[in-house]
Amino acid sequence: GAGVSQSPRYKVAKRGQDVALRCDPISGHVSLFWYQQALGQGPEFLTYFQNEAQLDKSGLPSDRFFAERPEGSVSTLKIQRTQQEDSAVYLCASSFGYNEQFFGPGTRLTVL
Amino acid sequence: DQQVKQNSPSLSVQEGRISILNCDYTNSMFDYFLWYKKYPAEGPTFLISISSIKDKNEDGRFTVFLNKSAKHLSLHIVPSQPGDSAVYFCAASASRDDKIIFGKGTRLHILP
Repeated sequence: GAGVSQSPRYKVAKRGQDVALRCDPISGHVSLFWYQQALGQGPEFLTYFQNEAQLDKSGLPSDRFFAERPEGSVSTLKIQRTQQEDSAVYLCASSFGYNEQFFGPGTRLTVL
Repeated sequence: DQQVKQNSPSLSVQEGRISILNCDYTNSMFDYFLWYKKYPAEGPTFLISISSIKDKNEDGRFTVFLNKSAKHLSLHIVPSQPGDSAVYFCAASASRDDKIIFGKGTRLHILP
């Protein structure tokens, strides 16, 4: 596909469940970013990969959040023991070097 | 403490008139500024950017102005069209290949 894709688009989890969110970046894009967007807020940075290396994870809110990009392409954001405050839209973006970031449609996570 | 501030949650403009969206920032290390547009259920779409060495960048109907001394930027859309109705996010980063810090967004309504 031409753009960044994310799956699933919607996820409902019971509190305490683990979830895994997938991001397929634009082919050839070296940089990959994850953002969290709460209702009524702008996206907030979570973590950044350059190829398979996770260079910045300063935005991850707790050790329940874990991201990986083992082959430098697809990335997975995992949230363990989900809490209600984790409910948000999770956005993935990719870029090729020093260019603007292209965003996927996001995964809306609702924790009941 | 918000580093990028969009103080107007919403703005209504008559079709054909000029839309002006404002943004203030606090971090003097920001070197690159962007505007993203977001429709419901979609990810943010890059609109226009400006680096700190310039004070104006124009792309068709969209112009971004940067006033570094005031730490202020604005997006002008002229003439405004119905398809411009969306949420606009002001964003900033320390460099082109760095995490983006977003404002909370301004919802623009173009009135017929």
